[in-house]
Amino acid sequence: EVQLVESGGGLVQPGGSLRLSCAASGFTFSSYWMHWVRQAPGKGLVWVSRINTDGSGTNYADSVKGRFTISRDNAKNTLYLQMNTLRAEDTAVYYCARDVVAGDTHWGRGTLVTVSS
Amino acid sequence: QTVVTQEPSFSVSPGGTVTLTCGLTSGSVSNSNYPSWYQQTPGQAPRTLIYSTNTRSFGVPDRFSGSILGNKAALTITGAQADDESDYYCVLFMGSGISVFGGGTKLTVL
Repeated sequence: EVQLVESGGGLVQPGGSLRLSCAASGFTFSSYWMHWVRQAPGKGLVWVSRINTDGSGTNYADSVKGRFTISRDNAKNTLYLQMNTLRAEDTAVYYCARDVVAGDTHWGRGTLVTVSS
Repeated sequence: QTVVTQEPSFSVSPGGTVTLTCGLTSGSVSNSNYPSWYQQTPGQAPRTLIYSTNTRSFGVPDRFSGSILGNKAALTITGAQADDESDYYCVLFMGSGISVFGGGTKLTVL
């Protein structure tokens, strides 16, 4: 069974940093592109970033480009999202997802990030 | 900047049929956008319904179907049930590694 478990969320002050993790199991992690998707409270889903299978290729939404960095450790079956210079508008549940493009998307349960002073 | 459009809300009677759409403010949606559809209830992670335009996710009943209708992607629900009342999101692959979600449609069954 495919499982994706996010962690690392919490309360952080504006301008601060946070690193999210997503532990993957039940499939060959190194064979899949992985994505981060977020959802602000009461709002819709927003695609944030994706990374290719070996980590050599990444893409970002304009809203996070230059502040967020996606990465992966295939030996540890783990996806990461390093978030710097956080803003109030980054407050959201962050979901880890497999196969957002051309595949049967599998989702984690999400981790809440709150940016507030 | 191209935006992915969805109806903000829709209503369907129990047992009825409803078609939700997913379009672009500029251009047409095609199979090359690999449209996917997700269902979400409050407090829950999204559930995948349809991917690659018209392929149902494992375990999704066949009353959910996906297609391209004109210049949009479409999700059709036939025989609507009370527990279909949810938010529905589409996502499109825009090329250059970027995907964009629509704003979602709140479906009411009454």
